[in-house]
Amino acid sequence: DTEVTQTPKHLVMGMTNKKSLKCEQHMGHRAMYWYKQKAKKPPELMFVYSYEKLSINESVPSRFSPECPNSSLLNLHLHALQPEDSALYLCASSQEYFGGKAEETQYFGPGTRLLVL
Amino acid sequence: AQKITQTQPGMFVQEKEAVTLDCTYDTSDPSYGLFWYKQPSSGEMIFLIYQGSYDQQNATEGRYSLNFQKARKSANLVISASQLGDSAMYFCAMREGGGAQKLVFGQGTRLTINP
Repeated sequence: DTEVTQTPKHLVMGMTNKKSLKCEQHMGHRAMYWYKQKAKKPPELMFVYSYEKLSINESVPSRFSPECPNSSLLNLHLHALQPEDSALYLCASSQEYFGGKAEETQYFGPGTRLLVL
Repeated sequence: AQKITQTQPGMFVQEKEAVTLDCTYDTSDPSYGLFWYKQPSSGEMIFLIYQGSYDQQNATEGRYSLNFQKARKSANLVISASQLGDSAMYFCAMREGGGAQKLVFGQGTRLTINP
């Protein structure tokens, strides 16, 4: 089973709202990722958690706040977003971060389409 | 500098034909991994195939194969007997360096399969 789930599928929020995106995996993976993808562009890495600790923050604005409550869950808390933050937000997970196909392949969820008005 | 280059923004292929999607990469690290993902219009990134830099043989996964030419730094995806459901955006990606968790993606190729 290589399933990563994300909720909600779609989200519309105002610039003063607070919302959260949720990602879940039950594959026993220890690395989890958040990516942002604008239309017709490739995904861009935002955050990486390894063993529930934040290991990479790609200089993401503080209005995006990640959280990893346990090894299966990854949240992205959103506050005071801008219209340019509208995008597809993808979550991914992998066993480890390098070492061969089984260890490092990232499996993605279906994404959350976010629209900021 | 672009680390992953996909030179074909769009490709149109007849159903049942084979198709090759090009990908070249740039790295000085001897340890790296190369991936291909498919992204239908629904948005999900679907893993297709992986090639490690030390793998001696080209990777194959069903109808997908990776033509890995290390000296030329190319990792082209070959899809045999294309199907209508293969119409999607295809991304080539690279993980470089031991311990690095970053995937760097190319700009993608939009593949359209015509009946």
